[in-house]
Amino acid sequence: KNQVEQSPQSLIILEGKNCTLQCNYTVSPFSNLRWYKQDTGRGPVSLTIMTFSENTKSNGRYTATLDADTKQSSLHITASQLSDSASYICVVSIGDTGFQKLVFGTGTRLLVSP
Amino acid sequence: DTEVTQTPKHLVMGMTNKKSLKCEQHMGHRAMYWYKQKAKKPPELMFVYSYEKLSINESVPSRFSPECPNSSLLNLHLHALQPEDSALYLCASSLPRGKMGAANEKLFFGSGTQLSVL
Repeated sequence: KNQVEQSPQSLIILEGKNCTLQCNYTVSPFSNLRWYKQDTGRGPVSLTIMTFSENTKSNGRYTATLDADTKQSSLHITASQLSDSASYICVVSIGDTGFQKLVFGTGTRLLVSP
Repeated sequence: DTEVTQTPKHLVMGMTNKKSLKCEQHMGHRAMYWYKQKAKKPPELMFVYSYEKLSINESVPSRFSPECPNSSLLNLHLHALQPEDSALYLCASSLPRGKMGAANEKLFFGSGTQLSVL
C-alpha cells in the first residue's frame, strides 16, 4: 500500500530556532518527493522537489534531504520566523503517467512562537 | 503568470442549490486537478484532466461534476450536496510529465474555495 508518514504531528518552537521534520514513505514506483508548505485555508506551496538521485536540495532557509535507500526524507528549517507557522506536507509522486499521481503525508503542523 | 486562480474564495450553499467552482491557469499546463481537503487532513484527489480529457475520477459521487471547457479552465459543478461535503476545494495544474525533468513537475495549487454546505 502506498503510504507517506510524517513526524512529528505537531511542533512548537521559538522564533530563531532550527527544526527538522521527518517523512517516511513506502511508495512504488517512486518518481520524486516534494515538500509543500500550507497556510491554513490556503493552497499548498511547493518548497522542494527531489528525484531518487538527489540527496539534498535547498530553498532559502529550507533544506530537504532524501535517502532513497531507507525511504526517508527530512525538511530542515533554519532560523525560524513567525511566518514559518504552517503545515508542512511531504508528498511522493508515483508512476509514469502523463499527469501526476501523488501520495500525501498527513503533515506536520509547525507553530513558531515569539 | 505562475498562478492558479480559483473563484469564489468562499461559498455557502444549501443542499438544494446548484453552484460552480472555477479554476483558471495561463501557464500552458495540460494537466489539471481537483482536490478536496478537510480540516487538518491532507488533500484527497477527486479528478484529473489530462489534455482536456477526464483521466481520473476517484469514485467521486455524481453530485460533483467536473468540466474542462479548454486548456486554461476547469470547473466543478455542485448539485444537491451534503453537509459532509463542506471542505476546502483545491484546484491544481502541472506540465505533462516525463520529458521536462522532475524540476518542472511542480504542481501549482490555487488558494482554494472554502465551501460550506448548510
